[in-house]
Amino acid sequence: NAGVMQNPRHLVRRRGQEARLRCSPMKGHSHVYWYRQLPEEGLKFMVYLQKENIIDESGMPKERFSAEFPKEGPSILRIQQVVRGDSAAYFCASSSGLAGGTGELFFGEGSRLTVL
Amino acid sequence: GQNIDQPTEMTATEGAIVQINCTYQTSGFNGLFWYQQHAGEAPTFLSYNVLDGLEEKGRFSSFLSRSKGYSYLLLKELQMKDSASYLCAVREGSSYKLIFGSGTRLLVRP
Repeated sequence: NAGVMQNPRHLVRRRGQEARLRCSPMKGHSHVYWYRQLPEEGLKFMVYLQKENIIDESGMPKERFSAEFPKEGPSILRIQQVVRGDSAAYFCASSSGLAGGTGELFFGEGSRLTVL
Repeated sequence: GQNIDQPTEMTATEGAIVQINCTYQTSGFNGLFWYQQHAGEAPTFLSYNVLDGLEEKGRFSSFLSRSKGYSYLLLKELQMKDSASYLCAVREGSSYKLIFGSGTRLLVRP
């Protein structure tokens, strides 16, 4: 049973370019979460999505960042006009919700964005 | 909003026991999680507490006191591979998202 799959694992962009990060949740999971992690810091919540719906985007910067989780295909985190401060590891997690379990999140290996 | 505090770094000796504390302030508490994260890797789930008391799972145990807003992760018989960051996270209300503390970097020395 494949885990949470993220790609690309590493992405290099120049300032002003766009970055697209993709996440396929675990099989059977319909809840997706995106977190950002700076070096030697904790995970900062960005956005929580279910299929075709943004449930909570309270951690998303107001500009340049967007996320989607379409009916078909992976969830996408899109960063437009990247700046050096966007350099970080972006982790995706998925869950099945609380039904029948703890509701724990399963994390992907992360996408490491470097902005030159 | 939430406020989650844990020590930044800890050092312990192989074979020893270490306790990593976490305090939190939140409205509508609905569960506390501990995750382990090795450098450059994905966080992996360690434990979950929603009721007061101790949950034991092999060498790792986690304790929760809801009235004190306090949890700890206890690691016994430390091994070198336990050197990692340990992340405390809280779920609030009916939301499924987790809010993480800044993590505690544990260094296990021979």
